[in-house]
Amino acid sequence: KAGVTQTPRYLIKTRGQQVTLSCSPISGHRSVSWYQQTPGQGLQFLFEYFSETQRNKGNFPGRFSGRQFSNSRSEMNVSTLELGDSALYLCASSLEGVGIDTEAFFGQGTRLTVV
Amino acid sequence: GENVEQHPSTLSVQEGDSAVIKCTYSDSASNYFPWYKQELGKGPQLIIDIRSNVGEKKDQRIAVTLNKTAKHFSLHITETQPEDSAVYFCAAPQEKLTFGTGTRLTIIP
Repeated sequence: KAGVTQTPRYLIKTRGQQVTLSCSPISGHRSVSWYQQTPGQGLQFLFEYFSETQRNKGNFPGRFSGRQFSNSRSEMNVSTLELGDSALYLCASSLEGVGIDTEAFFGQGTRLTVV
Repeated sequence: GENVEQHPSTLSVQEGDSAVIKCTYSDSASNYFPWYKQELGKGPQLIIDIRSNVGEKKDQRIAVTLNKTAKHFSLHITETQPEDSAVYFCAAPQEKLTFGTGTRLTIIP
């Protein structure tokens, strides 16, 4: 079956702009989580969506937001981009949620570069 | 919240030798422990996981052991091959996946 699909794979944006990233989970999976990966901070949890509702949120400013659609596809948005937002953004798909004892599968990520 | 420590941060082993990566966690309520492998330019790939009702799980050259009393779990890779070179992450889910800081494993031919 198809894996987790993230689009776009690469993105270059200018400071102050906003960006929207997309994630299509594995068919049948209702949970989508987003992570930011940087060399200095490692993998940091952004938020999780389950059945169109945000279930958990990490320690990121309000510039980072997300949503989930009825088909479980999810988007995350970053407004007023800063240089420090340059990172690999990963989404993870799971049946019931990463905190509920089920496997989570990651997409290839979107490499965001802010200049 | 959960805190996961992972050691070592880098590891180099000769091809054919074994590699061991260790993680400790803080939340005793955690009961599922996955390991991920991340190759350059790719997302993390789940390679093996273990649940708290077992002490060890094997899958070909890869094994994971869990000590719930000491709150640590380890990844063992035997007969290492060049394609094992990657960054490995442990994780402990508790409302979210909390990852270790990663181990860069290099297999020396």
